[in-house]
Amino acid sequence: EPEVTQTPSHQVTQMGQEVILRCVPISNHLYFYWYRQILGQKVEFLVSFYNNEISEKSEIFDDQFSVERPDGSNFTLKIRSTKLEDSAMYFCASSDGGGSADTQYFGPGTRLTVL
Amino acid sequence: AQSVAQPEDQVNVAEGNPLTVKCTYSVSGNPYLFWYVQYPNRGLQFLLKYITGDNLVKGSYGFEAEFNKSQTSFHLKKPSALVSDSALYFCAVRDLRGNNRLAFGKGNQVVVIP
Repeated sequence: EPEVTQTPSHQVTQMGQEVILRCVPISNHLYFYWYRQILGQKVEFLVSFYNNEISEKSEIFDDQFSVERPDGSNFTLKIRSTKLEDSAMYFCASSDGGGSADTQYFGPGTRLTVL
Repeated sequence: AQSVAQPEDQVNVAEGNPLTVKCTYSVSGNPYLFWYVQYPNRGLQFLLKYITGDNLVKGSYGFEAEFNKSQTSFHLKKPSALVSDSALYFCAVRDLRGNNRLAFGKGNQVVVIP
């Protein structure tokens, strides 16, 4: 069964450093998402991406964040200058359609620790 | 805004007993509801969804969920729990503020006792 994959599984960085989290969505999917979960809190939406552009972003997704699909298989989330409060589990997801009924399939997550 | 609530932090159930994980929702318009499960060190795995039609939705691993419009609930059920069902369960609703974001509940830890 096709799966969303994410690398690395755990990233430790110093405050102020740039990090890039990588995701490989399911191959025939066209819609891509990033969510995050701060320890003990709800899973929160960050951004959705379709046709090489952001289709929606939340208030969390400020200028420090960016997303990119650099090639036909990868989808990345970049945090330019990490803060302590960026420490969280980051989940990538993909879906084959962008409608309300379409299921989003999630990867295993990258745990980001900012020191 | 669309939201879901999962009122219990942890659900303990003996193996072989029925399992219920509760979820209530608040939406304007038609709800699109989802259940996901997270096993240790794994991502969120899709279990089932309600879009329209039959109120009883069947999903993966023997789980089902009942949509109840009058009670604004979408409880997840399994007739006979297995130890391997011990995991974190998330209810989610399509958030119609935007295009297709999901709004998640806080999750319920299910512990199935052998």
